[in-house]
Amino acid sequence: GEDVEQSLFLSVREGDSSVINCTYTDSSSTYLYWYKQEPGAGLQLLTYIFSNMDMKQDQRLTVLLNKKDKHLSLRIADTQTGDSAIYFCAETQNYGGATNKLIFGTGTLLAVQP
Amino acid sequence: KAGVTQTPRYLIKTRGQQVTLSCSPISGHRSVSWYQQTPGQGLQFLFEYFSETQRNKGNFPGRFSGRQFSNSRSEMNVSTLELGDSALYLCASSLAYQAGLNTEAFFGQGTRLTVV
Repeated sequence: GEDVEQSLFLSVREGDSSVINCTYTDSSSTYLYWYKQEPGAGLQLLTYIFSNMDMKQDQRLTVLLNKKDKHLSLRIADTQTGDSAIYFCAETQNYGGATNKLIFGTGTLLAVQP
Repeated sequence: KAGVTQTPRYLIKTRGQQVTLSCSPISGHRSVSWYQQTPGQGLQFLFEYFSETQRNKGNFPGRFSGRQFSNSRSEMNVSTLELGDSALYLCASSLAYQAGLNTEAFFGQGTRLTVV
């Protein structure tokens, strides 16, 4: 299946940590990505993780992957008002053959309160 | 290094008309993909091109078509526009196109199409 699901909305206070969750159904995913979309803009690639890893840290961002439960999360430390946006997880399934097709989650709107 | 450029940024068309959207990928990138984003359906894959050949197509009617040129620039065309085609159309470019490699797609700002 190609369903990737996320919770719709998350509200946090400035300075707190945010955790955005994503579940996917296809175990053949090779890479998993997090994208950020600000109003009226395209998608900005934030970070990614290879499916044989379970954690990746990149400055304020930490990605956790639980392949057994098909669960991906993005933690943003010290969340700032500029982090307010919609966050999409996405997967690609190109292990068996070449493709750059991304399957996106439904998106999580992160609202950061000052 | 210039990013992915999509033109035009905004477009208003009438039902029944046809439209062509353009995408210039990052220099050196030969893979281009197109996505449609709507509030109801989210981000849906349209098609992808590599070396001027369509490699994969999403579940869209035949009114949606595309092509890629030898300089990797891509266009997508929608004929006989319907109200439901109103959406943000996003183009992404990637350096690699190989099984098992990191897709790492970089997106343009999109073309906002409104069909009236």
